[in-house]
Amino acid sequence: SQTIHQWPATLVQPVGSPLSLECTVEGTSNPNLYWYRQAAGRGLQLLFYSVGIGQISSEVPQNLSASRPQDRQFILSSKKLLLSDSGFYLCAWSFVNTEAFFGQGTRLTVV
Amino acid sequence: SQQGEEDPQALSIQEGENATMNCSYKTSINNLQWYRQNSGRGLVHLILIRSNEREKHSGRLRVTLDTSKKSSSLLITASRAADTASYFCATDVNDYKLSFGAGTTVTVRA
Repeated sequence: SQTIHQWPATLVQPVGSPLSLECTVEGTSNPNLYWYRQAAGRGLQLLFYSVGIGQISSEVPQNLSASRPQDRQFILSSKKLLLSDSGFYLCAWSFVNTEAFFGQGTRLTVV
Repeated sequence: SQQGEEDPQALSIQEGENATMNCSYKTSINNLQWYRQNSGRGLVHLILIRSNEREKHSGRLRVTLDTSKKSSSLLITASRAADTASYFCATDVNDYKLSFGAGTTVTVRA
């Protein structure tokens, strides 16, 4: 069966420090991969999606970037974190026109 | 901007009662999906209804879709304390992008 792993679960980082969040999928091939951010009590904002290795689409101009170095690996990065980068980050995978499967999320607090 | 918008924002019901929440969206869709999120956790897929379907059931869940009104509803029957969560609708903006609403927070009182 397919599983999705996302880590770490929580992260506290100082302003100006770098960020790397990793997401891996098991049990499937060539999935579409997604990074979402959720502000407290709010809906999900799509940050990046990828339909294949090295193919990244950015939805919102910001301080973050994403990479897909392998078929089932999706990485969210920042060179210098801002206070406004705090939030709950969710990785997900799906195929076209089917349901999405989410990781358990990373709670990022920038201090 | 978000494609889907849920209504109400929050709902509090007694255990055993039914809970109904609605979702409106703006553009044509291939399908509409409902998800549940327990506090501080990832989203869990509940049900997917395609644009050519009008109603779908899964256990205690009933989803309707009215493409002429661009709206959907999620009904949870005989609610339980474990149904306490936030519920989100999601629509596919294109083949690859799912756009989520702000969600309905449901509290089931014992």
